[in-house]
Amino acid sequence: EDKVVQSPLSLVVHEGDTVTLNCSYEVTNFRSLLWYKQEKKAPTFLFMLTSSGIEKKSGRLSSILDKKELFSILNITATQTGDSAVYLCAVDVRVGGSRLTFGEGTQLTVNP
Amino acid sequence: DAGVIQSPRHEVTEMGQEVTLRCKPISGHNSLFWYRQTMMRGLELLIYFNNNVPIDDSGMPEDRFSAKMPNASFSTLKIQPSEPRDSAVYFCASSPEAAGAVNQPQHFGDGTRLSIL
Repeated sequence: EDKVVQSPLSLVVHEGDTVTLNCSYEVTNFRSLLWYKQEKKAPTFLFMLTSSGIEKKSGRLSSILDKKELFSILNITATQTGDSAVYLCAVDVRVGGSRLTFGEGTQLTVNP
Repeated sequence: DAGVIQSPRHEVTEMGQEVTLRCKPISGHNSLFWYRQTMMRGLELLIYFNNNVPIDDSGMPEDRFSAKMPNASFSTLKIQPSEPRDSAVYFCASSPEAAGAVNQPQHFGDGTRLSIL
């Protein structure tokens, strides 16, 4: 059975801190790993990673994938209160069609 | 650009009633996904359509759940009869996926919060 595990499950930090969120996976037919941010409503897309060792960056957020060790990290530098959200990691497993298997998510709270 | 549009935003109904959730994918996206999100189980894929054809419905929990996609711009998820354990947030997502092409991320609607009393 495909499995995606995120850690920590929750994290409380102060504005300005740097955080690292972890995602490990055990899946067959790996296609890509995706990070989403979920506030009150829809998960919003952050990154898609398909190749090992290539960092993707968007402002203060960055992510990298290690396909040998089967994990990914999401870094957020200089956190702001607006970064408070649940961060979801998902793995796209292509078996006939596309199937996203999600982790439980990391609840990040950034206090002023 | 309009995103994925779901309706209704909230639905409260009594057990035994039929519930129909609606989704309009992003124009030009040919793959559509229905997910359910609960505290206990997180986000789970229920069913996936490509070019209006159901490709994978292995996540549909039981026969009370059915989904259709009569055309490229509309899909429904129906629960009949509904039960309290169906209470969850149901998300629809779409992507411009094509067989053999570089995969694209799925974009989610705002969800329907369903409460079955």
